[in-house]
Amino acid sequence: EPEVTQTPSHQVTQMGQEVILRCVPISNHLYFYWYRQILGQKVEFLVSFYNNEISEKSEIFDDQFSVERPDGSNFTLKIRSTKLEDSAMYFCASTSDRGFNQPQHFGDGTRLSIL
Amino acid sequence: DAKTTQPTSMDCAEGRAANLPCNHSTISGNEYVYWYRQIHSQGPQYIIHGLKNNETNEMASLIITEDRKSSTLILPHATLRDTAVYYCIVRVSFFSSGSARQLTFGSGTQLTVLP
Repeated sequence: EPEVTQTPSHQVTQMGQEVILRCVPISNHLYFYWYRQILGQKVEFLVSFYNNEISEKSEIFDDQFSVERPDGSNFTLKIRSTKLEDSAMYFCASTSDRGFNQPQHFGDGTRLSIL
Repeated sequence: DAKTTQPTSMDCAEGRAANLPCNHSTISGNEYVYWYRQIHSQGPQYIIHGLKNNETNEMASLIITEDRKSSTLILPHATLRDTAVYYCIVRVSFFSSGSARQLTFGSGTQLTVLP
């Protein structure tokens, strides 16, 4: 069964450094998402992306964050200058554009640790 | 905020049916009920969704009350691998919103399957 893949599985970064988290969505999917989950807390929506632009974003997704689909397969989340509070699991998700309320499928996440 | 209410935790004996309730008393006519689960900080895994009819797939059954104010997820023969946090989520339909909206996760129900 097709799946969403995320790399790396664990990223350790010094505070203030830039980090890029990578995702390969399911191949025929057209809507893409990033969520995060701070340890012990709820899964929170960050941003959705369709047709090469942001569809919606939460208040968490400030100017330090950006997303990009650099080619036909990858979807990336960049954090420009990381803070300690950015430490979390980051999940990528995708869904198809068949218009029949297809579910979002999630990757297994990248654990981001800011030192 | 999440529009659903779930018990914090439940136990179930291995091999027995697990029935996970969810209240969504403010659900709108154009909102679907989705169920996901999360096994130990892995990515959320889609289980099933429905609008008003009962649904069944290879993983579970979803029973939605006639007034749509509550639903029950049924795992017919729970195994130890079903131990996870189960999330009940309501989401506006694709056709109503014109976009595949994000999922809003609550705290979910921690299901523990006991040997």
